[in-house]
Amino acid sequence: GAVVSQHPSWVICKSGTSVKIECRSLDFQATTMFWYRQFPKQSLMLMATSNEGSKATYEQGVEKDKFLINHASLTLSTLTVTSAHPEDSSFYICSARVYQELYEQYFGPGTRLTVT
Amino acid sequence: AQKVTQAQTEISVVEKEDVTLDCVYETRDTTYYLFWYKQPPSGELVFLIRRNSFDEQNEISGRYSWNFQKSTSSFNFTITASQVVDSAVYFCALSGTSGGGADGLTFGKGTHLIIQP
Repeated sequence: GAVVSQHPSWVICKSGTSVKIECRSLDFQATTMFWYRQFPKQSLMLMATSNEGSKATYEQGVEKDKFLINHASLTLSTLTVTSAHPEDSSFYICSARVYQELYEQYFGPGTRLTVT
Repeated sequence: AQKVTQAQTEISVVEKEDVTLDCVYETRDTTYYLFWYKQPPSGELVFLIRRNSFDEQNEISGRYSWNFQKSTSSFNFTITASQVVDSAVYFCALSGTSGGGADGLTFGKGTHLIIQP
């Protein structure tokens, strides 16, 4: 089956630093990847849609200068949280849409970010 | 705008009882997809089902069944003979279609299901 990985699975960083999270489709090509954020005991909220080779589309209220998304290849998208603050601590989950199956999405296992 | 409502924040039942998780959605799209996911404490989402807006057939998979009713914009999920391993947070989600494929998902707030032994 289609597998999506995320790296790292968890990360602790100091306030003011930047952290990069990778999302990879391991056995399929993904022209579109989605990034979600989930605060403790809350639902998942779509942050942005990234298409390979083009700029990401951000949901309303998501700061594009703070959450930098790069989708440079058909198997890799990265989310960089710049100048992280404690309020950015959250569970970040990506999903990948299969290139030839436009309605199938597969989720990664998530990355838990803690900013101290 | 799309919206998914899961009115039940938490449900607690005793093992072997049947339990139904409610999901009501709002969308202006004529073509859309509905999903259910399970999220155990580990956090990783487990896909349960996907339904498109043109397929109102109910579905059964083992102890799980889903009832999709367009007339009431509902997509309810029933677990029969619940087990302790069913304890998790369950999310209902909705996606429209644009740009030639499914959009990112709009999730409900989730229902925390507790199955007591």
